[in-house]
Amino acid sequence: KAGVTQTPRYLIKTRGQQVTLSCSPISGHRSVSWYQQTPGQGLQFLFEYFSETQRNKGNFPGRFSGRQFSNSRSEMNVSTLELGDSALYLCASSLGLVIQETQYFGPGTRLLVL
Amino acid sequence: SQQGEEDPQALSIQEGENATMNCSYKTSINNLQWYRQNSGRGLVHLILIRSNEREKHSGRLRVTLDTSKKSSSLLITASRAADTASYFCATGDIQGAQKLVFGQGTRLTINP
Repeated sequence: KAGVTQTPRYLIKTRGQQVTLSCSPISGHRSVSWYQQTPGQGLQFLFEYFSETQRNKGNFPGRFSGRQFSNSRSEMNVSTLELGDSALYLCASSLGLVIQETQYFGPGTRLLVL
Repeated sequence: SQQGEEDPQALSIQEGENATMNCSYKTSINNLQWYRQNSGRGLVHLILIRSNEREKHSGRLRVTLDTSKKSSSLLITASRAADTASYFCATGDIQGAQKLVFGQGTRLTINP
């Protein structure tokens, strides 16, 4: 099976812009989670989608949003970018049937905000 | 806030030696997982140990879990240069939710 794919892999934006990141899960996986990784805060949970519905949400401002499509592909959007949004954004997929099950991560999108 | 805290933050050993990393967490858990990350890439799942298990093995990996002390350890035996990576423990609280909470990680360097 193909692994989790994320596009784009690298992105440079300026403050105030918005960005959309895409994640394609492993075939058959219905849960997609998003994480932000920074040197200072480490890996932090953004949100999880299952069957097109947001099922869990972390402690991030409303500028961070996401959605999931019927084919389980997911996008996350960050509006009004701030310098502190520079990070590696990781998505992870799983079957979504058991809580806290093994997550399969994509390679990440590295976002730099200037 | 971080649920898991790894110790040490960084570890440097010679190839062939064993590496031990520890993880402490704060709340009751369903399971604890260990992941590896190479140079800012995606995380790779290594092993999952359930709250009712005390020890688990996978190849050169050995994980222990002590729920009374809210701690876990990851032992990598006969280390190789390819084991150089950051290692994270991840937990979720017993109340549910799919999200995992990661520690800050241990940066392991294997010197040839």
